[in-house]
Amino acid sequence: NAGVTQTPKFQVLKTGQSMTLQCAQDMNHNSMYWYRQDPGMGLRLIYYSASEGTTDKGEVPNGYNVSRLNKREFSLRLESAAPSQTSVYFCASSPTGGAGANVLTFGAGSRLTVL
Amino acid sequence: SQQGEEDPQALSIQEGENATMNCSYKTSINNLQWYRQNSGRGLVHLILIRSNEREKHSGRLRVTLDTSKKSSSLLITASRAADTASYFCATANSGYALNFGKGTSLLVTP
Repeated sequence: NAGVTQTPKFQVLKTGQSMTLQCAQDMNHNSMYWYRQDPGMGLRLIYYSASEGTTDKGEVPNGYNVSRLNKREFSLRLESAAPSQTSVYFCASSPTGGAGANVLTFGAGSRLTVL
Repeated sequence: SQQGEEDPQALSIQEGENATMNCSYKTSINNLQWYRQNSGRGLVHLILIRSNEREKHSGRLRVTLDTSKKSSSLLITASRAADTASYFCATANSGYALNFGKGTSLLVTP
């Protein structure tokens, strides 16, 4: 049982390049999330998907787009990368979300550097 | 915006000692959770306490919640070197996703 799988683990981009971070979960969870983690800032929510077919903005959505491809997969796209997007990105999933018992299962993270 | 704020930011203790870290938050919550993050890894869920609960135990972990003070504490008893990690509190309120604090970095030395 793999849980939440993120690819790639590491990526270096030049300013202006685009890329997509992939995330897949095999726990039949309804909700999926993308967070970024920066030193001294903790985790900040970029986008989330409450269920298949829906996506919503989190705290820091600017510069990102997401796609909930199906129930298993939730991708994060940087259309024109900027140095401020250098960060570690975490995908997570939960059986449900909101006021329910939304315990998150996290992937191992994707470390992105934008030069 | 981030909801929880952990204190202290860093904590260094010796094996066998107890470690206590605190979390304060600003608005009403439905539940509060604690997660652990080992260096270079993803976060792992430790324990969830609901707003109508005051204390919860799981193995060597004890979590308390005081909704009147909007605060929670995580106690790790008889710490081991393997407990070295960052610990985050996360709150669930009327919004959809969890809001994480900035974390407490715990170092347990042999």
